[in-house]
Amino acid sequence: AIQLTQSPSSLSASVGDRVTITCRASQGISSALAWYQQKPGKAPKLLIYDASSLESGVPSRFSGSGSGTDFTLTISSLQPEDFATYYCQQFNSYPHVMYTFGQGTKLEIK
Amino acid sequence: EVQLVESGGGLVQPGRSLRLSCTASGFTFGDYAMSWVRQAPGKGLEWVGFIRSKAYGGTTEYAASVKGRFTISRDDSKSIAYLQMNSLKTEDTAVYYCTREVVAATGSDYWGQGTLVTVSS
Repeated sequence: AIQLTQSPSSLSASVGDRVTITCRASQGISSALAWYQQKPGKAPKLLIYDASSLESGVPSRFSGSGSGTDFTLTISSLQPEDFATYYCQQFNSYPHVMYTFGQGTKLEIK
Repeated sequence: EVQLVESGGGLVQPGRSLRLSCTASGFTFGDYAMSWVRQAPGKGLEWVGFIRSKAYGGTTEYAASVKGRFTISRDDSKSIAYLQMNSLKTEDTAVYYCTREVVAATGSDYWGQGTLVTVSS
């Protein structure tokens, strides 16, 4: 099964900072990757789909890039509401369908 | 407005069964694949499985950890997706989320609020 490894596992940053979170797949998955934001006690929220497409209604400070095995989520200028946990999810269907998540990156206020 | 509402969670003994429901509204349910994702207390997200729309055969896929024990089904006439969970184990304790899959893309664009399943004697 394809494994997703996110780095870092946790991150401290300040409002206004530029932040990058990495997600590495154990084998190539083309652009079949999504990014989610989850706040405590809430359901996750889709930010990016197909590795780089911004979900409707998501602020443009969020962006995604990458293909194959290496992907990044970038927040260009952190806002107070962005402090949360972020997950990547892969959607590889070969040889078996297995839509695994990364272990998460907790973004905290410095 | 798209809404997904899970129900059916609760406390169940190991080895027993439970069925969760996900009632959808605000969109044409039959046009979408639907997934289940779970989150154990204090842990990360785990994909459980999904069911394709009838246009894509209505077939199902499962995570290895639940394959053979869990079954996903759908009733498009009622706009409900189900997760039948048999032979429950303590490690199945989690909040279970129902999600809608983005059509022809990769991602879950709507999530329910989740329902807690606790497996304990």
